[in-house]
Amino acid sequence: AQKVTQAQTEISVVEKEDVTLDCVYETRDTTYYLFWYKQPPSGELVFLIRRNSFDEQNEISGRYSWNFQKSTSSFNFTITASQVVDSAVYFCALRGYSGAGSYQLTFGKGTKLSVIP
Amino acid sequence: NAGVTQTPKFQVLKTGQSMTLQCAQDMNHNSMYWYRQDPGMGLRLIYYSASEGTTDKGEVPNGYNVSRLNKREFSLRLESAAPSQTSVYFCASSLEGSLTDTQYFGPGTRLTVL
Repeated sequence: AQKVTQAQTEISVVEKEDVTLDCVYETRDTTYYLFWYKQPPSGELVFLIRRNSFDEQNEISGRYSWNFQKSTSSFNFTITASQVVDSAVYFCALRGYSGAGSYQLTFGKGTKLSVIP
Repeated sequence: NAGVTQTPKFQVLKTGQSMTLQCAQDMNHNSMYWYRQDPGMGLRLIYYSASEGTTDKGEVPNGYNVSRLNKREFSLRLESAAPSQTSVYFCASSLEGSLTDTQYFGPGTRLTVL
């Protein structure tokens, strides 16, 4: 069985602070994919990044960066110089083999980030 | 491209009523999914359709039925709504349902069952 844990339920930071959202996962698969999605107050789910289990290079996209460490089964997300528009719920998700030829996405429970002006 | 669209955006039902949530995608994706999102629970898979003509149960299928009408459309039906089905429902699609796929989500339907 797959499991994704986002231990931080809610985080509040002051604008321009850096913030890291933690994600720890469990899987028996050797090949799997990890994802981050953003859910702003408007409610839609926005895809942010996909990373496969063989690529442990950190990725940076503007103010966003992701740190994938297979040794600790973690895929953490850092926002640098946070802005009010970053306020959202962020979900980490794992895609691996679910049996019977299907590959399902398992979500963490989400971390609600509030950026205070 | 509109991506994934869902109707309605909001719905209030009384216990025992039935309704169908509609989902359509214009990305020529083969696989489609229905999730529910409850406070503090993340998203949980209700049903999915790996390809046109096939449907399979997810983690929480009880009380729901689905129809993959064609490649574009995947509907979710509540035959006899219960208050426990109050939730936000998301439809998603992906190219082929493989391990490498990325799922893209619709805007959601907020359903309240009284």
